[in-house]
Amino acid sequence: DTEVTQTPKHLVMGMTNKKSLKCEQHMGHRAMYWYKQKAKKPPELMFVYSYEKLSINESVPSRFSPECPNSSLLNLHLHALQPEDSALYLCASSQPGTVYEQYFGPGTRLTVT
Amino acid sequence: ELKVEQNPLFLSMQEGKNYTIYCNYSTTSDRLYWYRQDPGKSLESLFVLLSNGAVKQEGRLMASLDTKARLSTLHITAAVHDLSATYFCAVESGGYNKLIFGAGTRLAVHP
Repeated sequence: DTEVTQTPKHLVMGMTNKKSLKCEQHMGHRAMYWYKQKAKKPPELMFVYSYEKLSINESVPSRFSPECPNSSLLNLHLHALQPEDSALYLCASSQPGTVYEQYFGPGTRLTVT
Repeated sequence: ELKVEQNPLFLSMQEGKNYTIYCNYSTTSDRLYWYRQDPGKSLESLFVLLSNGAVKQEGRLMASLDTKARLSTLHITAAVHDLSATYFCAVESGGYNKLIFGAGTRLAVHP
């Protein structure tokens, strides 16, 4: 099973709301990623967790707060977002080793009003 | 800082024709990935290229890697409409499998 699941599929939130995005994989992968993708642009890496530890933070604003409760689950907590944060948020996972192929989830389409 | 350049950025192809998408990158890397993305959808892994001279083929798509030239190509043979999508190459940079993506090539195949 090479599936990464993400919930919700769509999210509309106001600038004062707090919400969370969820990502789950059951492939035994020990690296998980959050990407942000704007329309007609490539994905941009936000965070990397390796063995449940935050390994890379690409200078992401603190209104985005990642969390990795266990090896299968990755959350992205959102607070006080701006309209320019509206984008497709993609989660991916991979297994450290010879081939670091990343498997992407279907994404959450976020709209900030 | 690693930079990844794809060209062309947009490609309008006639069905049955052949074409090549190019992916150049600026610093040494031995791992290159090709992904496909349909509009509004996620990324689908097409090829993983791990060494110099690697060549992989799947259906009408063939990818190759020349690490000395820092160049990968994605060749499309006898294009069909179903290949219409955006194709991204991505190169590993540093540890933790950090990927730097090219800008993407929007491919439109028409009759």
